[in-house]
Amino acid sequence: GAVVSQHPSWVICKSGTSVKIECRSLDFQATTMFWYRQFPKQSLMLMATSNEGSKATYEQGVEKDKFLINHASLTLSTLTVTSAHPEDSSFYICSAPRTDYEQYFGPGTRLTVT
Amino acid sequence: QKEVEQDPGPLSVPEGAIVSLNCTYSNSAFQYFMWYRQYSRKGPELLMYTYSSGNKEDGRFTAQVDKSSKYISLFIRDSQPSDSATYLCAMSKAAGNKLTFGGGTRVLVKP
Repeated sequence: GAVVSQHPSWVICKSGTSVKIECRSLDFQATTMFWYRQFPKQSLMLMATSNEGSKATYEQGVEKDKFLINHASLTLSTLTVTSAHPEDSSFYICSAPRTDYEQYFGPGTRLTVT
Repeated sequence: QKEVEQDPGPLSVPEGAIVSLNCTYSNSAFQYFMWYRQYSRKGPELLMYTYSSGNKEDGRFTAQVDKSSKYISLFIRDSQPSDSATYLCAMSKAAGNKLTFGGGTRVLVKP
């Protein structure tokens, strides 16, 4: 069964509003989680590394103030897209390493900004 | 040049055939290797993970890693139409670290 969950699976919001996406590890603790973005027919693009108890690390070109990440506990990381615009519409996926070798992904959240 | 190269396909095979997928990488710092399967509008599903060079088998799947050649492969035996998906190779430089992905290979298994 699933080991990483995401909520919501699909969200539609109006331009200018903020949207929060949750990522949970279900049967293990994750001090680190990762957030990716995926456009149609493209591979995953890493946005940021979420660290429990400290600030997230963002990849080059990702706006920290627009994509707020909070790793609230050892099983929960949240991504908030602030002041969303249509160009932020995408598929957002989180992942968490369960062991040194295994990294599991959530089912993804489809964000549509109108 | 991308750090991880993967043929985008599409790769079309008849049902029951062996699917052969591969990735090459340029950075010898990569130590952990994974293969994922992704269906449209779904999150990637972990299929195989390996650390050392050599072969690893799990059911219909065999993963190969050749660190000296910087080349990894995934073989799917007795392919089924349900195996039609995009296959992504991924690798990291340290345990539990961020993954670098290949571009993905689209596979179509025809009944």
